[in-house]
Amino acid sequence: LAKTTQPPSMEAYEGQEVNVSCSHTNIATSEYIYWYRQVPHQGPQFIIQGYKDYVVNEVASLFISADRKLSTLSLPWVSLRDAAVYYCIVTDIPSGSWQLIFGSGTQLTVMP
Amino acid sequence: NAGVIQTPRHKVTGKGQEATLWCEPISGHSAVFWYRQTIVQGLEFLTYFRNQAPIDDSGMPKERFSAQMPNQSHSTLKIQSTQPQDSAVYLCASSLLGGRATQYFGPGTRLLVL
Repeated sequence: LAKTTQPPSMEAYEGQEVNVSCSHTNIATSEYIYWYRQVPHQGPQFIIQGYKDYVVNEVASLFISADRKLSTLSLPWVSLRDAAVYYCIVTDIPSGSWQLIFGSGTQLTVMP
Repeated sequence: NAGVIQTPRHKVTGKGQEATLWCEPISGHSAVFWYRQTIVQGLEFLTYFRNQAPIDDSGMPKERFSAQMPNQSHSTLKIQSTQPQDSAVYLCASSLLGGRATQYFGPGTRLLVL
């Protein structure tokens, strides 16, 4: 079973900043948070990963609450190409199985 | 870098036939994963290999499904006696060894069993 809870869908206009939340109330101290996204007819694509505080890369930023029970993926200035299903995944790769357990994700619709 | 290559992209089989799906991981990646995606079940883990050795097949249906990785450049997923419920997109991913490695997914093989 997925260890995360996300809103099933979100909508935004092009150019807006989008924040996708993810609840992981039972996250273990050894677990990391990963975000992937999937557009139709393609496999999931890694976006960002983090353990605590704030992580940023060229695509997105990830804020993790102090108790690590909530994370928020932030996408600045979304375009139509950002329309996808966004998955938040919590896993402990080094000591557990390396598989990713995907939940239902958040379907992001971007409107022109 | 061509990314993870999966062939064929689409496959149609008749009920009871065998289907073999191929995956070529990214060069240098030593972990290979297989997932299955359907509308109803979403994305499900099937099995994975590390350095060609099978590590975890907990997601594989016990009958009719098998996976192999005969060399570091390809892996196969074989489904014997396919059934309509096997219709799905089968995704292959690869990653470097080491903790917390990102998985890179292929485009998937869409299998339709009639």
